[in-house]
Amino acid sequence: EAEVAQSPRYKITEKSQAVAFWCDPISGHATLYWYRQILGQGPELLVQFQDESVVDDSQLPKDRFSAERLKGVDSTLKIQPAELGDSAMYLCASSKRRPDGYTEAFFGQGTRLTVV
Amino acid sequence: AQSVTQPDIHITVSEGASLELRCNYSYGATPYLFWYVQSPGQGLQLLLKYFSGDTLVQGIKGFEAEFKRSQSSFNLRKPSVHWSDAAEYFCAVALMNQKVTFGIGTKLQVIP
Repeated sequence: EAEVAQSPRYKITEKSQAVAFWCDPISGHATLYWYRQILGQGPELLVQFQDESVVDDSQLPKDRFSAERLKGVDSTLKIQPAELGDSAMYLCASSKRRPDGYTEAFFGQGTRLTVV
Repeated sequence: AQSVTQPDIHITVSEGASLELRCNYSYGATPYLFWYVQSPGQGLQLLLKYFSGDTLVQGIKGFEAEFKRSQSSFNLRKPSVHWSDAAEYFCAVALMNQKVTFGIGTKLQVIP
């Protein structure tokens, strides 16, 4: 069964350092999402791609976060510089584009980031 | 404002007992509705989904959910809980061609 792949699974970094996460969506899924899940809360969307284009980055802290999906396939989320409050689970998801607009997102295992 | 509410942050049930997790939404139109489950340190797994048709939907692992338009609710149920069901459960909604928005989650504890 096809899965969304994420790496690394765990990352510990010092504050003010740069950190990057990678996501490979399910083959053929045009839509890719990055969510952040703070402990004890539900996931919140950071950025949504349709192919290689950003369609929603309204909740992305653009002063320190960046995301790209250059060829419309895999994606990288970067934080520079990391802050203590960035400690969270970062989840990647993907979905097919459907004519009825129905969106079923498939999630990866996530990257647990700890900033010390 | 659009929102998803899960009023119970933590629920404890005995193994073998029935379970109902509540979810209410506030949207201008009927959204697509989902329930996801998350085990500790893991990603999210889709349990079931509703976007039209029969208002009682069956999902994986013996779960079902009922959509009630009049109450703007989509409650998750299971007739007999197993210890392996202990996890966090998220109700989620999406409007056409828009992002999936999650509730805060309900953490389920199962006691022997």
